[in-house]
Amino acid sequence: DAKTTQPNSMESNEEEPVHLPCNHSTISGTDYIHWYRQLPSQGPEYVIHGLTSNVNNRMASLAIAEDRKSSTLILHRATLRDAAVYYCILRYEGGSEKLVFGKGTKLTVNP
Amino acid sequence: NAGVTQTPKFQVLKTGQSMTLQCAQDMNHEYMSWYRQDPGMGLRLIHYSVGAGITDQGEVPNGYNVSRSTTEDFPLRLLSAAPSQTSVYFCASSYRYRSTNTGELFFGEGSRLTVL
Repeated sequence: DAKTTQPNSMESNEEEPVHLPCNHSTISGTDYIHWYRQLPSQGPEYVIHGLTSNVNNRMASLAIAEDRKSSTLILHRATLRDAAVYYCILRYEGGSEKLVFGKGTKLTVNP
Repeated sequence: NAGVTQTPKFQVLKTGQSMTLQCAQDMNHEYMSWYRQDPGMGLRLIHYSVGAGITDQGEVPNGYNVSRSTTEDFPLRLLSAAPSQTSVYFCASSYRYRSTNTGELFFGEGSRLTVL
């Protein structure tokens, strides 16, 4: 199973952009990059996913490196409600579905 | 929509007792899974299932059993509880992942288990 590596923690100030990195150097051509976040005392929730092209939705943007060995989740204007643990995982179509989350990145947003 | 429902939300067990954590989803999802989360840690996959009658082991399966007799239900059984199994348990479900869907995992609210 392809693995991902994320920094343990990051800090940001409110209303500033946040770039959360994820390395996935062993990614295969059929792996999609998925991001989830877990707010305090809640279960994780889906944020965004992509394959090769950059993706945008109402929550965030996903920038994927050309070689696909890394990706960055972008929160354009961090709010206090964005303080959470962010997880990057890989998922491939029709795969074994053994979804390993890892420890994620704990984002602290300062007022 | 109920989504993913986990019961109980809280449970205290004594070492050696057995119990079942229930997980039910009403979205007709093929994929279901169980994770445990220890304080300050990420999610660790215990068991997962890609359909009724099919289960497989995750990262930390020892001490846990699962079965999937219906699409809706995926119970997690602790055979003989140990203090090391004190944790928060999350059940998650989704459609089998295909490029035509987001593969969004829906998580339950969690079950907090304490083993004394």
